[in-house]
Amino acid sequence: RKEVEQDPGPFNVPEGATVAFNCTYSNSASQSFFWYRQDCRKEPKLLMSVYSSGNEDGRFTAQLNRASQYISLLIRDSKLSDSATYLCVVIRYGQNFVFGPGTRLSVLP
Amino acid sequence: DAGVIQSPRHEVTEMGQEVTLRCKPISGHNSLFWYRQTMMRGLELLIYFNNNVPIDDSGMPEDRFSAKMPNASFSTLKIQPSEPRDSAVYFCASSAAKYYNSPLHFGNGTRLTVT
Repeated sequence: RKEVEQDPGPFNVPEGATVAFNCTYSNSASQSFFWYRQDCRKEPKLLMSVYSSGNEDGRFTAQLNRASQYISLLIRDSKLSDSATYLCVVIRYGQNFVFGPGTRLSVLP
Repeated sequence: DAGVIQSPRHEVTEMGQEVTLRCKPISGHNSLFWYRQTMMRGLELLIYFNNNVPIDDSGMPEDRFSAKMPNASFSTLKIQPSEPRDSAVYFCASSAAKYYNSPLHFGNGTRLTVT
């Protein structure tokens, strides 16, 4: 079993839809969590950190469930520009960043 | 603010040749990471440094790969000799490890093609 798992998708949603992604991690000692976004042929870019109490940044909401060992990302009112691959990232210890395989999102007009 | 700078952006070489990828991390960041990304295997950590010291190189595929960080502002990843299966995008990333919950910042990547 991989340490960080995501549904690869693709998720094809119409503009304006709400879409949610989950990411599960296997190591209960994981300390910090992030969502990154990667556009085709570009580098991954930080979308948001994930805090224990959950956090929101505009149309994006991130949640952490330590008991079930998953994090989620909710995108409301999706835009065409949200089309990308979303990568879940977990820090195990120190600076050991572990990336999930990514979930591909296509927002359709 | 300059981000992580990688060079070259693209590299096309023949099998057996030596390839050197370069990276300048964000000033003040004390952790540096080399990743490789392919369609088949996704993003794989090759090696990371903390305060210029290699901490974990378990992801380096084999002896053909080597990485150095002679100072806080420069790192190289060398492949010698290169093989077609090394074709991938290689990303360098840096982080301010001294701050808890500090994220990674990636460079634009080097797209390597070995023929």
